[in-house]
Amino acid sequence: KAGVTQTPRYLIKTRGQQVTLSCSPISGHRSVSWYQQTPGQGLQFLFEYFSETQRNKGNFPGRFSGRQFSNSRSEMNVSTLELGDSALYLCASSRDTRGYTFGSGTRLTVV
Amino acid sequence: TQLLEQSPQFLSIQEGENLTVYCNSSSVFSSLQWYRQEPGEGPVLLVTVVTGGEVKKLKRLTFQFGDARKDSSLHITAAQPGDTGLYLCAGSNDNQGGKLIFGQGTELSVKP
Repeated sequence: KAGVTQTPRYLIKTRGQQVTLSCSPISGHRSVSWYQQTPGQGLQFLFEYFSETQRNKGNFPGRFSGRQFSNSRSEMNVSTLELGDSALYLCASSRDTRGYTFGSGTRLTVV
Repeated sequence: TQLLEQSPQFLSIQEGENLTVYCNSSSVFSSLQWYRQEPGEGPVLLVTVVTGGEVKKLKRLTFQFGDARKDSSLHITAAQPGDTGLYLCAGSNDNQGGKLIFGQGTELSVKP
């Protein structure tokens, strides 16, 4: 079966710009979570969507937002990009809380 | 705030050696998951443990969940170069939906 698909794989943006990342979960998975991975902080939870509703949110500023569509596809948006937002952004989907399938991630570089 | 402390952070061993990675917390988790991540890719789920004291085996890998569900360990027997990668533990709670708390990871290098 198809895995979790994230697009684009790589992105270079300038400080102050905004960016939208996309995630298509495994068919039948209604939960989609987003994580930021950096060398210094490791993997940090951004937010989770379930049936188009944000069910959980991590400790990130309001510049980070997301949404989920009726087909479970999800997008996350980062506005007013800062250099520190450079990271690997990972999306994961699941049927329950006992195991997650991650996508390959979007590598965002802010210059 | 729940935290997971993973040790060691780095491990470099020769092929054939055994190793253990530890994941500790002062908090109780509903389940503990172990992932392996290769450069440029997302983490891949290895195992989920949910019952205190539970032991699961995956070929040469043995996973254990502490009796109090606050800690876990991963033991690899006779490591091979193909085991090289970043190993991550992650805790979850049933009342927090899809939020995983990750340890900092253990970077394992197995030399031939």
